Amino acid sequence: DGGITQSPKYLFRKEGQNVTLSCEQNLNHDAMYWYRQDPGQGLRLIYYSQIVNDFQKGDIAEGYSVSREKKESFPLTVTSAQKNPTAFYLCASRNGQVDYNEQFFGPGTRLTVL
Amino acid sequence: RKEVEQDPGPFNVPEGATVAFNCTYSNSASQSFFWYRQDCRKEPKLLMSVYSSGNEDGRFTAQLNRASQYISLLIRDSKLSDSATYLCVVKDRAGGSYIPTFGRGTSLIVHP
Repeated sequence: DGGITQSPKYLFRKEGQNVTLSCEQNLNHDAMYWYRQDPGQGLRLIYYSQIVNDFQKGDIAEGYSVSREKKESFPLTVTSAQKNPTAFYLCASRNGQVDYNEQFFGPGTRLTVL
Repeated sequence: RKEVEQDPGPFNVPEGATVAFNCTYSNSASQSFFWYRQDCRKEPKLLMSVYSSGNEDGRFTAQLNRASQYISLLIRDSKLSDSATYLCVVKDRAGGSYIPTFGRGTSLIVHP
């Protein structure tokens, strides 16, 4: 089955700890994205990557970091500098070879910081 | 700042009703448009792309009005299973990348 996987589905951490969220895709997509969604809110872009070893800040990158060492993997680290990290985190990918095509989303990780 | 605005609703309609959602966008140079559906506590899934000439997929019709900078989604013969949040997505080109901006979503509740 081709798709995007995110793990874990639920994650609990203590305040002040860094945490890394996993995102893997086997769709051979070039572009990958991380979003954050808060209750009743739309998706806000944290980081995106159009190609391996390259990534760009989105609208709310402060307190987050990413890496893109492999095409299929785009992990997101939520650092202790992120003021309100509790949220629903969604990873997405897109076939970057076609300009107008859509994104596919993983099932998301719900992060709760206690 | 690029903005995508949607009426959050909820739209509460009986089964069989026709319901329409609008979404306005601020960047006149926006290049591609989509409607996604998001069920409670799940990831968004593509419902349909929106083409300049308008397009239909079964009970769903999407239209684009570039002059007034809005897209619309029409759902005919609503089903209970249509209850969800509908997200409008607008993509703009920034450098060599297509950057999507999501609306906050419109909540639809279809009741018996």
